[in-house]
Amino acid sequence: SQQGEEDPQALSIQEGENATMNCSYKTSINNLQWYRQNSGRGLVHLILIRSNEREKHSGRLRVTLDTSKKSSSLLITASRAADTASYFCATAAVGSAGNKLTFGGGTRVLVKP
Amino acid sequence: DAGITQSPRHKVTETGTPVTLRCHQTENHRYMYWYRQDPGHGLRLIHYSYGVKDTDKGEVSDGYSVSRSKTEDFLLTLESATSSQTSVYFCAISESRDRGNTEAFFGQGTRLTVV
Repeated sequence: SQQGEEDPQALSIQEGENATMNCSYKTSINNLQWYRQNSGRGLVHLILIRSNEREKHSGRLRVTLDTSKKSSSLLITASRAADTASYFCATAAVGSAGNKLTFGGGTRVLVKP
Repeated sequence: DAGITQSPRHKVTETGTPVTLRCHQTENHRYMYWYRQDPGHGLRLIHYSYGVKDTDKGEVSDGYSVSRSKTEDFLLTLESATSSQTSVYFCAISESRDRGNTEAFFGQGTRLTVV
């Protein structure tokens, strides 16, 4: 079963708007990570937030983490057509050997010019 | 891109044949992983390695075996391919540092079709 579940499964917005997607998970985590995947390509790491952090920023990305609710959100501000991609959350569970990540099902984002 | 090369990038094979996918890294990272990606399932871990000759099973390991004889190479073998193993396979690597708070770097994927 998947550790992370993402919501919504798909999102369509206009260029310049903000995009928000959410991730829920089930177990205690060391960190939560977000990845982007362009069609037909490998995943690219976007941001990592540790379990003792509540918010993190990187450029136009803002990630929040609420460990009491076992949830995270990714906000992309002022979206661009180039942000069209699938976005995945991934969790590294406490006590998990080998830095293993468990991925959610992803959110497909379409940014219309 | 991190120095990860997957080969082949595309393969069509027949049911019942053995298939080996190769992942090669030039980053000297300790950990290597094989994931499969299927519609509606995100990425699921097949096997991973935490050092030369040290491997362990992931979530969906049945029907797959792996080997790591050198730091830079991680092989995934489908002993007898089945149609349910049609998928896109991704190799990933990560470092051993910072108490596990490290990102993974992914290869470009191998699209495998079993007919």
